[in-house]
Amino acid sequence: ILNVEQSPQSLHVQEGDSTNFTCSFPSSNFYALHWYRWETAKSPEALFVMTLNGDEKKKGRISATLNTKEGYSYLYIKGSQPEDSATYLCAFHTLTTSGTYKYIFGTGTRLKVLA
Amino acid sequence: DSGVTQTPKHLITATGQRVTLRCSPRSGDLSVYWYQQSLDQGLQFLIQYYNGEERAKGNILERFSAQQFPDLHSELNLSSLELGDSALYFCASSVGGAGGLIEQFFGPGTRLTVL
Repeated sequence: ILNVEQSPQSLHVQEGDSTNFTCSFPSSNFYALHWYRWETAKSPEALFVMTLNGDEKKKGRISATLNTKEGYSYLYIKGSQPEDSATYLCAFHTLTTSGTYKYIFGTGTRLKVLA
Repeated sequence: DSGVTQTPKHLITATGQRVTLRCSPRSGDLSVYWYQQSLDQGLQFLIQYYNGEERAKGNILERFSAQQFPDLHSELNLSSLELGDSALYFCASSVGGAGGLIEQFFGPGTRLTVL
């Protein structure tokens, strides 16, 4: 059974704080790791697709790192703003033995930024 | 607005029935992905089509099937519906993504309620 864990489950931070969360995934059969931002009552929005060990990606105040050997990725938000409040999901993208692809989602980290 | 459209927005039906959910990808996108979000299971990947062919398969039940048509729109067919099939069904699309390594854009979802 492939397990993708995200921690913490939820987080409250003050406006201006920097924060980070973790996505842990199997270290074998890695193909890619996806990060999404999902605001309440909206659709998920893709943030990053990460493929290489040591990859670092950045979009504005949000950045992510990837360690495929040990099976984790960190998402960082610098200077959190109330509009960053959302659930942040990661998805482990793997190639199965039958040669097809599969995406396995974590349960997300729910971030609330207090003004 | 991501440019991905899904119809209908809401669907209420009875157990044992069959329904069809429709997705129109963004103009020019060749890949369509289907996801299910139920209360107890989080976001689950169901299936991906690329230019009319099945490319990746997740935990899609045998009672469910999908296809992508020559005009690239996709339909997800759910049959012999059970109460547990009640969920929000998302469609996403991407420009290429034969291997799924490209950013996906999500539609607004179809809320299915099975009574």
